Order: sequence, then C-alpha cells, then structure tokens
Amino acid sequence: NAGVTQTPKFRILKIGQSMTLQCTQDMNHNYMYWYRQDPGMGLKLIYYSVGAGITDKGEVPNGYNVSRSTTEDFPLRLELAAPSQTSVYFCASSYVLQTDTQYFGPGTRLTVL
Amino acid sequence: KNEVEQSPQNLTAQEGEFITINCSYSVGISALHWLQQHPGGGIVSLFMLSSGKKKHGRLIATINIQEKHSSLHITASHPRDSAVYICAASTGNQFYFGTGTSLTVIP
Repeated sequence: NAGVTQTPKFRILKIGQSMTLQCTQDMNHNYMYWYRQDPGMGLKLIYYSVGAGITDKGEVPNGYNVSRSTTEDFPLRLELAAPSQTSVYFCASSYVLQTDTQYFGPGTRLTVL
Repeated sequence: KNEVEQSPQNLTAQEGEFITINCSYSVGISALHWLQQHPGGGIVSLFMLSSGKKKHGRLIATINIQEKHSSLHITASHPRDSAVYICAASTGNQFYFGTGTSLTVIP
C-alpha cells in the first residue's frame, strides 16, 4: 500500500493564481482531512470529509474548497492565492473520525509570492 | 488561549535519559493523539488514547481525563528519537493541535 500520497511536493504561486493540491489514499478510509502547518503554529484543520460526496469545514476553511467524488481522492482547491496561504499542507485519512489513527501524507510546501 | 498547550517547547537530552513531554487541553475530548514529526517533515501517529495508558516499545502515553492532561514518556532515549512531538485533541468534528515539542537527543 502506498498509504496517503500528495502532489505536488513543492509549488510557488503568484498572488491571484489558483491551483489544486491532490491527495489520494489506498487504505479504503472513509475519513479524509486537509491541514495546514505554519511555522511555530500547530496544525490547523481546513476541511474534512466523512465519505464520498460529503465534506465539511474545519477551523480555517476560508480561501479553500474541497470535493470528494471518490473514496480515494480528496483534492484541495485554492482560488485566488494570497500570501497568507503560504504554508505546508498535509492530507490525512482515517477509518473512524475521532478515535482512530490518522495516516498523513508527506506534505506540500506552498509559497505564494 | 490555545485549546491544547504543550511543554516544554524545546528539550535537549543525553542519550539514555528518560524524557517526559506534557500536554494540557481545555476542551472535552473524544480522544487525545500523539504524533511525531520527523526532521524531513513527515508526520506519524504514535498513540491515540481516551483513557489510561498505552505503551509501544520505549514510548508510553498516559492520560488523566479529570485533570485534562496527557504525558508522553520516552525511556532510554536515542538520537533517532530526535523529532517534534505533537499533541492533538479530537472533539466533536474538530481537531486541535499543540505547537509541538522539539526534542534533540545527543549521543
């Protein structure tokens, strides 16, 4: 099993550009999550999904959109990128929402200039 | 005030020392998670606990629900334990993370 994979690993965007961060898991997990990690700060939950077709906001959803058309994939869309979105983005998945081990992807380092 | 607070922020230990990292939380939890973030950035889940104590190899995690406090202990520390250790509380449909404890174990 590859676990949780993310692409790209690194990306530089200009202000106002848009992009999609890809996340795929092959563990047949129902739950998937997107987090951002800023220097010196804890991880913050952006969006999560409890299954195909169902998504919900986390703590910091503004400026992002998600979709979950399949169990395996959970892409994160940035529209009109802003410097405040410079961060490292982690995707994760788990079998159960609250009381289960989360498996993390390797992260995407995004810089918005 | 953050929902999850960790201490210390930074910790340096000699190889072989017993290490304790503390986590206090202010929210009602479904579970408390301990994560390890390697120097390269990858994150691995170490423990998930809602009561009592769990042990895996040289790592032990405990939680006191009444005091809203958890500890991560590392026995016989080794340089390969050098990493950032993150505490996270899951509650409702949210996860709250501490800012991490950066551990360096010197040979």
